Amino acid sequence: KAGVTQTPRYLIKTRGQQVTLSCSPISGHRSVSWYQQTPGQGLQFLFEYFSETQRNKGNFPGRFSGRQFSNSRSEMNVSTLELGDSALYLCASSLDGGMNYGYTFGSGTRLTVV
Amino acid sequence: AQSVTQLDSQVPVFEEAPVELRCNYSSSVSVYLFWYVQYPNQGLQLLLKYLSGSTLVESINGFEAEFNKSQTSFHLRKPSVHISDTAEYFCAVSDLGGGFKTIFGAGTRLFVKA
Repeated sequence: KAGVTQTPRYLIKTRGQQVTLSCSPISGHRSVSWYQQTPGQGLQFLFEYFSETQRNKGNFPGRFSGRQFSNSRSEMNVSTLELGDSALYLCASSLDGGMNYGYTFGSGTRLTVV
Repeated sequence: AQSVTQLDSQVPVFEEAPVELRCNYSSSVSVYLFWYVQYPNQGLQLLLKYLSGSTLVESINGFEAEFNKSQTSFHLRKPSVHISDTAEYFCAVSDLGGGFKTIFGAGTRLFVKA
């Protein structure tokens, strides 16, 4: 079956702009989690959605937001971009928020803010 | 609160030698433990997981990890590594109190030399 699809793969934005990243989970998975990966901080949890509801949120400013649609596809948005937002953003699909079955990750979207 | 410590940031090893990647965690409740592997320019892949039962878990490519509750450790081992095992390895923990969130360690970069 198809894996987790993240689009776009690469993105270059200017400070102050906003960006929207997309994730299509594995068919049948209703949970989508988002992580930010940077060399200095490792993987930091952003939020988790299940059946269109946000069940948990990490310690990120309100500029980071997300949503999930009825077909389980998810988007995350970052407004007023800062240089420090440059990172690899990973989407993780699962049956149960990664608890019993673990995650299946997408290849990520590499965001560069200039 | 959950936390994960990977004790080595980099581990260089010669091909066909054994390797151990160390991981310690902290949690106040029962945990689920995972090891993920990340190859360059890719997302993370689930390598193995411990949920309950036997404390020794194995992956299909020869890695194994042992859950040690008294030492709160989940070290990853392989008796003989290959060049293709060169990657970054992440230890991760989730628990029922964490609210559908998995916490990742900072990662250990395994470099296998010929």
